[in-house]
Amino acid sequence: AQSVSQHNHHVILSEAASLELGCNYSYGGTVNLFWYVQYPGQHLQLLLKYFSGDPLVKGIKGFEAEFIKSKFSFNLRKPSVQWSDTAEYFCAVNAPGSSASKIIFGSGTRLSIRP
Amino acid sequence: GAVVSQHPSRVICKSGTSVKIECRSLDFQATTMFWYRQFPKQSLMLMATSNEGSKATYEQGVEKDKFLINHASLTLSTLTVTSAHPEDSSFYICSAKRADTNYGYTFGSGTRLTVV
Repeated sequence: AQSVSQHNHHVILSEAASLELGCNYSYGGTVNLFWYVQYPGQHLQLLLKYFSGDPLVKGIKGFEAEFIKSKFSFNLRKPSVQWSDTAEYFCAVNAPGSSASKIIFGSGTRLSIRP
Repeated sequence: GAVVSQHPSRVICKSGTSVKIECRSLDFQATTMFWYRQFPKQSLMLMATSNEGSKATYEQGVEKDKFLINHASLTLSTLTVTSAHPEDSSFYICSAKRADTNYGYTFGSGTRLTVV
């Protein structure tokens, strides 16, 4: 079965600091990987996704993520965070060949940015 | 494009009553819709997967008789919480997968259910 682990439950940074949120998944086959963001009081939005090709994926708002197959990881990065990045971040995985194509989410990482 | 409308956004109901939550894909056809539940400060837990015209597939531990899912058309899925109890209070979110791609998932804005 697929599973997703996000090791950082709560990250607190100052503005302009660099960000890296860890995400590891367990699944032996081909996967699609996603990072979603949930701003306070809002619904989930897709930040970026990886399906195939270049393992370094660039998303919206200056975020990027690198797929490292050998490490089963898909860490999210941003070189310089802003106060508006305060949100909950969810890593997710789905197995495209499976019949259900369901997305499994990690436990989430709350990011708090100090002005 | 790819907008999913979820209604209602908030509902308060009395214990023992039933509540229906709608999830509509507004500008695309969704062969598959997913229902998630999110407890405070926790992740989204997949409850069930519904495919248009067929019975929903429930995740382990989810009571199918309590959480009734209907996916009658390519643009509408409903989740009915039957005989609701306070422990059913939660945030319910639907997601729709576009029929024309394996990769497009769009989430609704969620429904906050409070059972009193």
